[in-house]
Amino acid sequence: KAGVTQTPRYLIKTRGQQVTLSCSPISGHRSVSWYQQTPGQGLQFLFEYFSETQRNKGNFPGRFSGRQFSNSRSEMNVSTLELGDSALYLCASSLARGVQETQYFGPGTRLLVL
Amino acid sequence: QQQVKQSPQSLIVQKGGISIINCAYENTAFDYFPWYQQFPGKGPALLIAIRPDVSEKKEGRFTISFNKSAKQFSLHIMDSQPGDSATYFCAASIRGGKLIFGQGTELSVKP
Repeated sequence: KAGVTQTPRYLIKTRGQQVTLSCSPISGHRSVSWYQQTPGQGLQFLFEYFSETQRNKGNFPGRFSGRQFSNSRSEMNVSTLELGDSALYLCASSLARGVQETQYFGPGTRLLVL
Repeated sequence: QQQVKQSPQSLIVQKGGISIINCAYENTAFDYFPWYQQFPGKGPALLIAIRPDVSEKKEGRFTISFNKSAKQFSLHIMDSQPGDSATYFCAASIRGGKLIFGQGTELSVKP
């Protein structure tokens, strides 16, 4: 079974631009979560999607948004990029939600904002 | 209350030694405690996980010890190998929800 895939793997943007990152979960997995990883703040939860609905949201500004499609694939969007948005963005999928399900992570998209 | 505190920040162990990483939490509603291993350029990979009704879980060279009353849990890596050199994260969640991660421990195993 293929793992979680994320595209693109690397991205360079300038301040003020917007970016869209994509995540394909493990086949059969219906829950997708996004995390931001930085050296200073570590791994922080962004949001979780299940059945095309956002179920939970972390403490990030409204510039960060996401969505999930009927095939469980997910995208996250960051508008009006700031230097501090430079990070590794990780997507994790799990079979379901509301139970103690393992979250499997993709390799991440490394975003650099100049 | 949502924090998970992890120590040490970095750890150097000789090959064959025991690596011990500790985590503490405050929120007693947490009911799932996984450990993830991350190599440079890769996403975190699940190593081992435990539920609070179990005091210890062992998988190969990796053992989680869980102390519910002290709200602490730890990862022990027995017979540490250079290939174990990576960053380790503890985490906690409630009913399979968002993972709250510790700050990570950078482990270096010297040959």
